[in-house]
Amino acid sequence: GAGVSQSPRYKVAKRGQDVALRCDPISGHVSLFWYQQALGQGPEFLTYFQNEAQLDKSGLPSDRFFAERPEGSVSTLKIQRTQQEDSAVYLCASSPLVGAGETQYFGPGTRLLVL
Amino acid sequence: QKEVEQDPGPLSVPEGAIVSLNCTYSNSAFQYFMWYRQYSRKGPELLMYTYSSGNKEDGRFTAQVDKSSKYISLFIRDSQPSDSATYLCATEGAGNNRKLIWGLGTSLAVNP
Repeated sequence: GAGVSQSPRYKVAKRGQDVALRCDPISGHVSLFWYQQALGQGPEFLTYFQNEAQLDKSGLPSDRFFAERPEGSVSTLKIQRTQQEDSAVYLCASSPLVGAGETQYFGPGTRLLVL
Repeated sequence: QKEVEQDPGPLSVPEGAIVSLNCTYSNSAFQYFMWYRQYSRKGPELLMYTYSSGNKEDGRFTAQVDKSSKYISLFIRDSQPSDSATYLCATEGAGNNRKLIWGLGTSLAVNP
């Protein structure tokens, strides 16, 4: 079956430009996560959805970052007025249930470069 | 101090060697521990999953958790060039917090 897909795979943005990154989770998965992975680092948590509800956005680095999942499936991570420090790989993961210890399945990531 | 510490390496071994990868963590409330493998320009894929203390074996891979010392390990036997990747340890946040907390990742090269 299809895994988690993300688009675009690569994005080059000029500093100050707004970008939108899309995540298509595995069909039927309730939980959806966004992570940011800087070069040579482990992923860092950004935000978590259970269906359409955003239950945790404590990892969003600034108010320029916004995520939504309006119908409980596809999610979009938006970054306004991009800065060079936003350059990273943005990973999306989904899991089927909401219980602790549920496996998170990752997409290939969107590689964002801000010039 | 990061909640999960992992030596980034790089680690280079000959084919057939036994590889030992390790992480430490700081919060004794963590219960779920994972090892993910990440190939270049790919997303992480789950390799091993352990709940609480103990060992888990899957083919050439063995994961160990020692909660008394807050130490987690991954052993790879008979390493293959296809095992060359970055290995990331992770744990799930305590309580109802489902976020994964990650180590830096260890870059492994298995040389034929």
